[in-house]
Amino acid sequence: GIQVEQSPPDLILQEGANSTLRCNFSDSVNNLQWFHQNPWGQLINLFYIPSGTKQNGRLSATTVATERYSLLYISSSQTTDSGVYFCAVERGGGKLIFGQGTELSVKP
Amino acid sequence: AAGVIQSPRHLIKEKRETATLKCYPIPRHDTVYWYQQGPGQDPQFLISFYEKMQSDKGSIPDRFSAQQFSDYHSELNMSSLELGDSALYFCASSFSRGKGVETQYFGPGTRLLVL
Repeated sequence: GIQVEQSPPDLILQEGANSTLRCNFSDSVNNLQWFHQNPWGQLINLFYIPSGTKQNGRLSATTVATERYSLLYISSSQTTDSGVYFCAVERGGGKLIFGQGTELSVKP
Repeated sequence: AAGVIQSPRHLIKEKRETATLKCYPIPRHDTVYWYQQGPGQDPQFLISFYEKMQSDKGSIPDRFSAQQFSDYHSELNMSSLELGDSALYFCASSFSRGKGVETQYFGPGTRLLVL
């Protein structure tokens, strides 16, 4: 089956710093979503981005489908950005296949 | 905006007991998905329904079953619970029209603890 790899696995930032999270996938996909899982366990949709670039406030994402990767940019990080960031892909039938996540900790 | 509703939010059961988790999708969404997330793990797909029919199946144990009702809510039934079933169970919904390429919106999850 398709492999989804996220890097880095862990990231510690000072408040105000910028970061880039990466998601590589091993085959073509129909759908790619980025999620933030907060410390209470909630999975929050960040982007639906099978290709192209999107921005939402301090967050932006780019997916280059032909090269099978996606990037999530976080600018001016805040402590509330802490949590686990998941990339998930869909290849048909609807089920999402998740990467292992990047655990982000933003220090004040 | 309306979100996916799951109940209960927390559940504690003993080994070998039965549990039923409920999911109410976003209005007008036609597809429901169930995922299981073990401690420190990523969510794993269990099963999905499109227009009340099972559409896909993942690594769902035979002890688990699910269905979607006429009002589109879904229930995940878990029997003969084991310690390893302790996890966060998510329901997600989308308006997929059977194509499976639309955004999935996740509920807050049900945290199940089996003692």
